[in-house]
Amino acid sequence: QKEVEQDPGPLSVPEGAIVSLNCTYSNSAFQYFMWYRQYSRKGPELLMYTYSSGNKEDGRFTAQVDKSSKYISLFIRDSQPSDSATYLCAMSVNQFYFGTGTSLTVIP
Amino acid sequence: GAVVSQHPSWVICKSGTSVKIECRSLDFQATTMFWYRQFPKQSLMLMATSNEGSKATYEQGVEKDKFLINHASLTLSTLTVTSAHPEDSSFYICSARLVGQETQYFGPGTRLLVL
Repeated sequence: QKEVEQDPGPLSVPEGAIVSLNCTYSNSAFQYFMWYRQYSRKGPELLMYTYSSGNKEDGRFTAQVDKSSKYISLFIRDSQPSDSATYLCAMSVNQFYFGTGTSLTVIP
Repeated sequence: GAVVSQHPSWVICKSGTSVKIECRSLDFQATTMFWYRQFPKQSLMLMATSNEGSKATYEQGVEKDKFLINHASLTLSTLTVTSAHPEDSSFYICSARLVGQETQYFGPGTRLLVL
């Protein structure tokens, strides 16, 4: 079993839709949770960084961590074509583990 | 803040030559830097973890003599692909971790094409 599981998609939504991206994990020791956005041919860009359970909001982005279910989510409100990218979840405890990434396309 | 640069952004070289890629943390000190490799439409593959002033720790299956890593200062790590072959063609990305933080900041990546 992989440490981190992420549906690779692809996910295609119309502009303005709410997008939900998810990852599950198996190691209950993970404490730090991150979401990265990667545009084609670019390095990943840190979007959200949370510690332990709960929600964190930043503009149109909300990161949610449910440690009891070992489940994290990233919500994108009012999605824009510029949000089209691959989204990687990551988590760590001494060592980093990345999901495989979900490819998102927002159609104008 | 937390900007990481890579140089060059892309390089084309002949088979058998060596290529050096630089990774710099521009506005912070990074005691730990990471090197990744990424194939098209695939996720990041960690190659090695580089700590300032000590030898890099390589992941299983990564040849340390092929991929030489030097982390000479708190702001600079280099990856040298020695005797490059076409199968080494890939997207190489570095990242740096801030002291006291549990997150990584990535560079823009270097695209290597070996002919």
